[in-house]
Amino acid sequence: DAGVIQSPRHEVTEMGQEVTLRCKPISGHDYLFWYRQTMMRGLELLIYFNNNVPIDDSGMPEDRFSAKMPNASFSTLKIQPSEPRDSAVYFCASSSPGGQNTGELFFGEGSRLTVL
Amino acid sequence: QKEVEQNSGPLSVPEGAIASLNCTYSDRGSQSFFWYRQYSGKSPELIMSIYSNGDKEDGRFTAQLNKASQYVSLLIRDSQPSDSATYLCAVRYSSASKIIFGSGTRLSIRP
Repeated sequence: DAGVIQSPRHEVTEMGQEVTLRCKPISGHDYLFWYRQTMMRGLELLIYFNNNVPIDDSGMPEDRFSAKMPNASFSTLKIQPSEPRDSAVYFCASSSPGGQNTGELFFGEGSRLTVL
Repeated sequence: QKEVEQNSGPLSVPEGAIASLNCTYSDRGSQSFFWYRQYSGKSPELIMSIYSNGDKEDGRFTAQLNKASQYVSLLIRDSQPSDSATYLCAVRYSSASKIIFGSGTRLSIRP
């Protein structure tokens, strides 16, 4: 399998612009997680989905952030309008909850966002 | 209190020695615990998972779990320079499937 695929790998944008990050989970995985990583706050859970349904979005910082999962093979995280404090590495991860490796996460390579 | 707590380090250990990393968590009902390694500029990768009290060994790595004390640890034997990385402790909540990470411990193995 190709693993979790994220795009873009790097994004530089100006404050106020819309940013869309994309993720393709591993085929057959029914959980998808979006995390944000910064030096100050570490790896924070933003939102996660089960079978394409958002289960917990309590980590989404504010209304400027939204996430969707229209089907089992695609998810987006959108920031509109973007602000400099949104600069971070955004990771997507997928997992399958059953079996011995319950909850093991497989991460994508991340999308490094810089908002000027 | 943070949900998952780790000492941020850096922890410096001489090559060949044992590195000991610790983690505490707040959700008493949690059942699944993980250690991830993250090299600078890379994504986290799973190195150990543990679900029952006691020790679990995999090569040079040993994970230890004490649910009564809400404590998880990772021991790395015969530390190598390639073990220099940030180690993230992660806990899966009992009431849901969300997985929360600690802030990570930076480990440096000095030759």
